[in-house]
Amino acid sequence: DADVTQTPRNRITKTGKRIMLECSQTKGHDRMYWYRQDPGLGLRLIYYSFDVKDINKGEISDGYSVSRQAQAKFSLSLESAIPNQTALYFCATSDLFVNEQFFGPGTRLTVL
Amino acid sequence: AQRVTQPEKLLSVFKGAPVELKCNYSYSGSPELFWYVQYSRQRLQLLLRHISRESIKGFTADLNKGETSFHLKKPFAQEEDSAMYYCALSVSGGSNYKLTFGKGTLLTVNP
Repeated sequence: DADVTQTPRNRITKTGKRIMLECSQTKGHDRMYWYRQDPGLGLRLIYYSFDVKDINKGEISDGYSVSRQAQAKFSLSLESAIPNQTALYFCATSDLFVNEQFFGPGTRLTVL
Repeated sequence: AQRVTQPEKLLSVFKGAPVELKCNYSYSGSPELFWYVQYSRQRLQLLLRHISRESIKGFTADLNKGETSFHLKKPFAQEEDSAMYYCALSVSGGSNYKLTFGKGTLLTVNP
């Protein structure tokens, strides 16, 4: 089945370290998104990309960067991780003309 | 800017009771509304969208533009309905195909 996958699924790191979270999809979708989920805050959009050459900031992009290496791959980087970036991170994809988003399983990141 | 409000963080009902999860939105144009569900230890998945006007797993939601609401309802809750529910709004047009999520409501259905 076409799917959205994320690696790693869990990561514990220390303050100041550089971290990369990866997302891959086999759905053939052009659009990809990164969200973080925090208890009581719901899902907040970090970055999104509508095609390989298009990168856009979401509502909470500070402290994060992204790379769209190919249509199927969208990576999220924390250049210098800090404890308040501890959260569950989700990647999602959507087709060009349909607003339904398909989510990956999530990456649980803990910054000590 | 668009906004989605889910006033209840937690909602607890007994099996067989009716359930209503509230969602209000603010947007001056014509939005597209969704409900997403996240079962324990699973990824978010679409439950339903207002344009399809479907009933999924016994849930329905009607868009009320006058009250700017999109409440999710089910007449008889089941234990397997226990999950986190997110209301989301999409503002389409031009290059803007993003979802704005509410903060979620955790539904617990007790036996």
